[in-house]
Amino acid sequence: RKEVEQDPGPFNVPEGATVAFNCTYSNSASQSFFWYRQDCRKEPKLLMSVYSSGNEDGRFTAQLNRASQYISLLIRDSKLSDSATYLCVVNKAISRAGNMLTFGGGTRLMVKP
Amino acid sequence: NAGVMQNPRHLVRRRGQEARLRCSPMKGHSHVYWYRQLPEEGLKFMVYLQKENIIDESGMPKERFSAEFPKEGPSILRIQQVVRGDSAAYFCASSPAGIYPGQLSLAKNIQYFGAGTRLSVL
Repeated sequence: RKEVEQDPGPFNVPEGATVAFNCTYSNSASQSFFWYRQDCRKEPKLLMSVYSSGNEDGRFTAQLNRASQYISLLIRDSKLSDSATYLCVVNKAISRAGNMLTFGGGTRLMVKP
Repeated sequence: NAGVMQNPRHLVRRRGQEARLRCSPMKGHSHVYWYRQLPEEGLKFMVYLQKENIIDESGMPKERFSAEFPKEGPSILRIQQVVRGDSAAYFCASSPAGIYPGQLSLAKNIQYFGAGTRLSVL
């Protein structure tokens, strides 16, 4: 089983749609969770951290379910500029490797006019 | 405050040559990570370094690849005797010092990426 699993997509949605991505992780000891965004041929950039109680940043909402080891990202009112690959990221939670992150394979989103 | 700097941005090598990729972390960061991304694939972890120490190299191929992060200067990823299968984007990331578990320390665990080096092997 992969450490971090995501549906690769692509998700093709019209502008203005609401879209949700899911991610599962295997290490129950993980404590840090993030969503990164990667545009084509560019480096990954942090989109948002994911807090235990869930958090919102504008049109983006992240949720964490520790019992099910499941993370989600909801994007409301999709824009053309949201087209990218969204990476679910979890820390490794190994003593010396607390800073190490495991990246999911990414979910590709394409927003169409 | 400059971000993570990688150079060169593009590197072309012939089979059998050596490739040296450089990464300067963000100011104040002492943890460096190297990742490889093949075309149309996800990020694959290669190695995690702190100044003068390799912390985890579980993702490094056993031969031809090496990495260092000296006391002074950038981190270097070195690929000897390159082959066509080494053609990929190589990304470097850095994070602040220390190990910080727990929700309140999420910021300390964030990795910031450089723009990458695209290696093409002819």
